[in-house]
Amino acid sequence: DTGVSQDPRHKITKRGQNVTFRCDPISEHNRLYWYRQTLGQGPEFLTYFQNEAQLEKSRLLSDRFSAERPKGSFSTLEIQRTEQGDSAMYLCASSLAGGSSYNEQFFGPGTRLTVL
Amino acid sequence: GEDVEQSLFLSVREGDSSVINCTYTDSSSTYLYWYKQEPGAGLQLLTYIFSNMDMKQDQRLTVLLNKKDKHLSLRIADTQTGDSAIYFCAESKNSGYSTLTFGKGTMLLVSP
Repeated sequence: DTGVSQDPRHKITKRGQNVTFRCDPISEHNRLYWYRQTLGQGPEFLTYFQNEAQLEKSRLLSDRFSAERPKGSFSTLEIQRTEQGDSAMYLCASSLAGGSSYNEQFFGPGTRLTVL
Repeated sequence: GEDVEQSLFLSVREGDSSVINCTYTDSSSTYLYWYKQEPGAGLQLLTYIFSNMDMKQDQRLTVLLNKKDKHLSLRIADTQTGDSAIYFCAESKNSGYSTLTFGKGTMLLVSP
């Protein structure tokens, strides 16, 4: 299967700890997106990359959050000093800029974070 | 207010048609999408419509767009139990090459 993969699928941590998630996009996709989804809500945009450049960040992305895509392939999302309000599903998606006009984003299965 | 709003729950019987509604507020939206989310699985794009269209049909799926009222609907004909899932309406701006704004999702429950 060459879809978007995310690791880990589940993460339980204690408040105040740092966590890092990884996303591997579809190999030829140059755009990569991070979204957050809480229970009963739709996904909310956090940030996106085109190749290694981080082009847009949501105001939801506080200074405790940092995302990287160092070689324009996989990406990491780090949350420092986690808070209980960070508990959510973190979704990664990828797309091919210059591909379809409707910019289909392909989503991974998500990483579910629980902060105790 | 919310950018994209949806009714939260819909229950139908197998074989009936389902209609899921969505309203959006940004008239500059260029593409509107319907995504499906099943438990334990990622979001899957079902269909999309460009803002200069008013209808799109794709097998059992029909999308209607009323741009004046900023209203989007998804009709699923001959609904099956396998269609039970959460359906998200989403919009994008800037010719589709931008991020998505999602509604809260409509849970569709199909009973035999």
